Amino acid sequence: AQSVAQPEDQVNVAEGNPLTVKCTYSVSGNPYLFWYVQYPNRGLQFLLKYITGDNLVKGSYGFEAEFNKSQTSFHLKKPSALVSDSALYFCAVRDNYGQNFVFGPGTRLSVLP
Amino acid sequence: DAGVIQSPRHEVTEMGQEVTLRCKPISGHNSLFWYRQTMMRGLELLIYFNNNVPIDDSGMPEDRFSAKMPNASFSTLKIQPSEPRDSAVYFCASSPGQGPYEQYFGPGTRLTVT
Repeated sequence: AQSVAQPEDQVNVAEGNPLTVKCTYSVSGNPYLFWYVQYPNRGLQFLLKYITGDNLVKGSYGFEAEFNKSQTSFHLKKPSALVSDSALYFCAVRDNYGQNFVFGPGTRLSVLP
Repeated sequence: DAGVIQSPRHEVTEMGQEVTLRCKPISGHNSLFWYRQTMMRGLELLIYFNNNVPIDDSGMPEDRFSAKMPNASFSTLKIQPSEPRDSAVYFCASSPGQGPYEQYFGPGTRLTVT
């Protein structure tokens, strides 16, 4: 069965500093991996995904994520955090049969001015 | 495209009443998902349709919950009778199909059962 772990409930970072939000996964076969962001009182918004190919994928708002197959990880990164990046971030996995999505529990990112 | 449309945006009802939540997926999308989000339990998948057929309803909490997708452009999630513990934000999401496709979420329906 698929599963996603986000080991940190909360990540705090100062504005201008790099940020990392961690995600590890378990899936049979090759994974499709996704990151979403949720702002208060809004639905989830897609940020980026990994399907195949280059392990470093770039997405919206300057975010990027690195796929590491040996560590079964897909950490979200940004070189310089903005206060407006403060939100709830979800990692998700879908197996390559393309069936169900499984979401992680979410990590709350707070960027402090 | 207007994105995924959900109605109503807010619903307040009394315990025991029937509640119907509605969703219009993005045109051309073949997969539709219903989720529930609470502080305590996070984001939970309730049911997943592909080509209007329910594929996985293992997340539906109990018989009080039912979901239908009569055509490619409309789905409903019904709770009958509603209970206070059903209070949550319910999201609908759609995706172009099975495979390496992301989901597109609607704005959600905030349900309060008193």
